[in-house]
Amino acid sequence: QQQVKQSPQSLIVQKGGIPIINCAYENTAFDYFPWYQQFPGKGPALLIAIRPDVSEKKEGRFTISFNKSAKQFSLHIMDSQPGDSATYFCAASLSGGYNKLIFGAGTRLAVHP
Amino acid sequence: GAVVSQHPSWVICKSGTSVKIECRSLDFQATTMFWYRQFPKQSLMLMATSNEGSKATYEQGVEKDKFLINHASLTLSTLTVTSAHPEDSSFYICSARDMAGDFNEKLFFGSGTQLSVL
Repeated sequence: QQQVKQSPQSLIVQKGGIPIINCAYENTAFDYFPWYQQFPGKGPALLIAIRPDVSEKKEGRFTISFNKSAKQFSLHIMDSQPGDSATYFCAASLSGGYNKLIFGAGTRLAVHP
Repeated sequence: GAVVSQHPSWVICKSGTSVKIECRSLDFQATTMFWYRQFPKQSLMLMATSNEGSKATYEQGVEKDKFLINHASLTLSTLTVTSAHPEDSSFYICSARDMAGDFNEKLFFGSGTQLSVL
């Protein structure tokens, strides 16, 4: 019940395409869903996050779609660029206190010129 | 955004030796820091939660006597891998929570430490 399932494992798109990465969770108590971007040899960096009271959130070229009833959320990257090539992790947690983040397995995105 | 400095960025050591990794929050105070381990092409696995001034809480399966964590101040936590062996070779990442904000929205990661044990 603590798992976050992420798909696909890897993704290749052409420049300008819109890669979509999906995540699903089981624990209905989770109330915070962030996405992280990680480049090789670096720590993850927070991209965008959403709470269950909204169905969509946009920040620049990144959009999270959230479906509470289906317990799924996804990341869309608009007008993808080669510089977006990285590994993306979704995560989920309970907010507040010392609650830990539960990470998905990660998606390796390659954006070809 | 806030900066978490992790040092060293990479280290090579001989089997049986101990290695210390430092994690510092540079411009904020962190009551809680987290230590993760990441194998190539895999996700981050939480090893332990470190709270300033108290003992760390280790995840199931993580040997607390092997991975010593100290969080002596609000800006510094250290992870010591004792008697390292080749199977301890991994990418170790720390994260720190800005005590001024909500846990998740004020959680920042270090740049990681690649440990190679020969």
